[in-house]
Amino acid sequence: GAVVSQHPSWVICKSGTSVKIECRSLDFQATTMFWYRQFPKQSLMLMATSNEGSKATYEQGVEKDKFLINHASLTLSTLTVTSAHPEDSSFYICSGIFSGIFKEQFFGPGTRLTVL
Amino acid sequence: KNQVEQSPQSLIILEGKNCTLQCNYTVSPFSNLRWYKQDTGRGPVSLTIMTFSENTKSNGRYTATLDADTKQSSLHITASQLSDSASYICVVRANNLFFGTGTRLTVIP
Repeated sequence: GAVVSQHPSWVICKSGTSVKIECRSLDFQATTMFWYRQFPKQSLMLMATSNEGSKATYEQGVEKDKFLINHASLTLSTLTVTSAHPEDSSFYICSGIFSGIFKEQFFGPGTRLTVL
Repeated sequence: KNQVEQSPQSLIILEGKNCTLQCNYTVSPFSNLRWYKQDTGRGPVSLTIMTFSENTKSNGRYTATLDADTKQSSLHITASQLSDSASYICVVRANNLFFGTGTRLTVIP
């Protein structure tokens, strides 16, 4: 199946700093990418949907000024957590839609963010 | 309200045994249903995808069933292995994706 990569796989940062997470679709073009957050023992929670070349659509309760999403190309989307705080510590997962008949959605391996 | 509920929440089984995970949904309009396996600290990996007209689909030791009338799906794992220990997530697609909370499976020797 198609491959989605994320970088970094884990990051530890101090409170107040900004962290950028990259999501790449390696062998397909993803016009739409999604960013999810997952807390321990919970399911994935959709944060935002980004379409290449346009502004991301954020889910209710997700601060767009705090979680900056840039979908610069058909193979790259970035999530920047600005002024991170300990409560932002979570597992962040991106996914891209492969434009097949089922619009299969492939997930990245995730990025573990720990804010001290 | 669109919901996807999974049971059991967690399950421990002996290596080599079979198990069945359940998924009930109230999502509409239904497009398809997928089962994902998520290892700890990793992203979900697709196991099966089922459309409205499909009742059963197998992928190696994994067999998924779908009853669109009762809006239930199951994932049966045969001859479990230690590497099957993971969370299994049922995801239903309507206009959006709706995620179940998952079943945490632990296979012990």
